Amino acid sequence: EPEVTQTPSHQVTQMGQEVILRCVPISNHLYFYWYRQILGQKVEFLVSFYNNEISEKSEIFDDQFSVERPDGSNFTLKIRSTKLEDSAMYFCASIQENTGELFFGEGSRLTVL
Amino acid sequence: AQRVTQPEKLLSVFKGAPVELKCNYSYSGSPELFWYVQYSRQRLQLLLRHISRESIKGFTADLNKGETSFHLKKPFAQEEDSAMYYCVAGGTSYGKLTFGQGTILTVHP
Repeated sequence: EPEVTQTPSHQVTQMGQEVILRCVPISNHLYFYWYRQILGQKVEFLVSFYNNEISEKSEIFDDQFSVERPDGSNFTLKIRSTKLEDSAMYFCASIQENTGELFFGEGSRLTVL
Repeated sequence: AQRVTQPEKLLSVFKGAPVELKCNYSYSGSPELFWYVQYSRQRLQLLLRHISRESIKGFTADLNKGETSFHLKKPFAQEEDSAMYYCVAGGTSYGKLTFGQGTILTVHP
């Protein structure tokens, strides 16, 4: 069964460093998403991406964040200058258009020191 | 703004007992409601959605618009049902979901 895959599973970085989280969505899906979950808090929507552009973003998704799909397979989330409060589990997801079911990756845990 | 509330962080039952995970929502318009589940060391996955009105793994959920609730129920819990359960609302835009806090269900033997 096809799955959304994410790398790395865990990344530790110093505050102020750039981080790139990678995702390979399911191949015939067209809509892609990033969500995050800070420890002990809710899963929150960050951004949706369709047809090579952002279709919607939350207020969390400020100028420090960016997404792209440079090669038609990897869907990346970049945090330009990480802050302590960026420490969270980041989930990538893609949607099967005909059912609307969101398929999630296993998540990338980011720890900012 | 959409809001989803799951009042119980933890819920423990014994095997064979009925289980109900509560969910209330506030929403303007017609919500799409889902239950997602995350088993230990597995990814988030869809359990069921209100529009399909189906029973998955013995679980059902009925949308009650008057009470703005979407409680998840199972008449006889099994140990393998132990997991984190999220009540989720969608519908404002495609794939943009609003999650509840989640309820950890533990089914004891």
